[in-house]
Amino acid sequence: RKEVEQDPGPFNVPEGATVAFNCTYSNSASQSFFWYRQDCRKEPKLLMSVYSSGNEDGRFTAQLNRASQYISLLIRDSKLSDSATYLCVVNIRLYGGSQGNLIFGKGTKLSVKP
Amino acid sequence: GAVVSQHPSWVICKSGTSVKIECRSLDFQATTMFWYRQFPKQSLMLMATSNEGSKATYEQGVEKDKFLINHASLTLSTLTVTSAHPEDSSFYICSATTYRTGVYTEAFFGQGTRLTVV
Repeated sequence: RKEVEQDPGPFNVPEGATVAFNCTYSNSASQSFFWYRQDCRKEPKLLMSVYSSGNEDGRFTAQLNRASQYISLLIRDSKLSDSATYLCVVNIRLYGGSQGNLIFGKGTKLSVKP
Repeated sequence: GAVVSQHPSWVICKSGTSVKIECRSLDFQATTMFWYRQFPKQSLMLMATSNEGSKATYEQGVEKDKFLINHASLTLSTLTVTSAHPEDSSFYICSATTYRTGVYTEAFFGQGTRLTVV
């Protein structure tokens, strides 16, 4: 099983739709979680951190389920400008004092159509 | 968010020459910088993890003698592509993060460098 897995998509949705992405991680020692957005030919940008209690930022809601080892991103009332690739990022802490690693999923492509 | 500056944003070089890419964290001290490569329509591929003051840890399949990484300070890491060949043409991106109280903070990315080897 890969360390961080995402459905690659593409998700093709109409404007105004609600779309949800899931991301599963294999390492139960994972400490922190993030969603990034990457536009075509650009660098990834942080969209939001994911907290245990779940968090919301406007039309975006992120949730974490530690028991099932997945995080989700919900986008409501999608806009054309939401079209991008969404990357799930997990901070895995290694044992023995090592610093661990930030592991990126391969991304889920979203295309919002008029 | 924090600012990470990557330079140059694009470069064209002749086959056999070397190219140096700089990654600077402008407003925070980055204990760790990551270097990625991304081919068209593909996902980010981690090349190496660089901790300040120590040797970089390379991912499997990445030649450390070809991709030289130096992380001499908490605000600067460099990637040198030595003896570049056309197959090294790609989008190279750095990201910087800080290791604090046992976890990494979020990573901030440079703007990327588009390398074309002719």
